[in-house]
Amino acid sequence: QKEVEQDPGPLSVPEGAIVSLNCTYSNSAFQYFMWYRQYSRKGPELLMYTYSSGNKEDGRFTAQVDKSSKYISLFIRDSQPSDSATYLCAMSANQAGTALIFGKGTTLSVSS
Amino acid sequence: DTEVTQTPKHLVMGMTNKKSLKCEQHMGHRAMYWYKQKAKKPPELMFVYSYEKLSINESVPSRFSPECPNSSLLNLHLHALQPEDSALYLCASSQAWAVRSGNTIYFGEGSWLTVV
Repeated sequence: QKEVEQDPGPLSVPEGAIVSLNCTYSNSAFQYFMWYRQYSRKGPELLMYTYSSGNKEDGRFTAQVDKSSKYISLFIRDSQPSDSATYLCAMSANQAGTALIFGKGTTLSVSS
Repeated sequence: DTEVTQTPKHLVMGMTNKKSLKCEQHMGHRAMYWYKQKAKKPPELMFVYSYEKLSINESVPSRFSPECPNSSLLNLHLHALQPEDSALYLCASSQAWAVRSGNTIYFGEGSWLTVV
C-alpha cells in the first residue's frame, strides 16, 4: 500500500460547482497536511496548510483533516476556470529530517 | 509570486554538456531542496541542504551535483546527463529541515530541462 493515495482524475466540473478533492494515507505519524496547486508547466504553489485534525478555511478553499480515518479533503466553492490545475496533497510526520510525502495529484478542469 | 527564484526557466543540453541550474531565496530559510518532477507525476526529492550542509541525497546519480554556496543560493550542476533526465527541476526552501507548525515548503517555478 502506498503511503499516500490520491485519485489522479481528471475531474471536470462546470463553473460555480463545489469541488471535493481527497487523499488517504497509511502512516499514522503524519501530522502536517498541505495542499499545493500546480498550473501546467509551473512549480507547486502552497494553498493550504493544516496541523492535526480539523478544518481550515481560506476564501473559497476549505481543508479538512480526519486523522481517525486517515483522510484529508480540499473543498473549492464556486469553482472558477482559473482553478483548473493539478492539486497535490502532501504530508509529513512531526520529526526532524522527515521528507514531505506527495500524492500523485488530481487534475481539475473547470469549464465556463 | 513565488519568493524562490530559479534560472534558467528552460534549458536544452546535449549529453556531453555541462550546465548548472540556479536557485535563490531571500526569505531567510535555512533548508533548501532540489526536486525532480516528470510529467503527470508528483515531485521527487533529490537533495536537502540544511544550514548549507548536504543532509539528504536520495540516491541521486553522480551526474547531478548539488552545491550550496551560501544560505540564499542553491545550484545543481549537470554533467553527462541522459535523455531520461529530461524533467522539471524544482527548487524549494523552508525555515528548517522539518515540517513543523508554521514551517512549510515553498517551491520555485522550476527549470524545464531537455536532454538531447
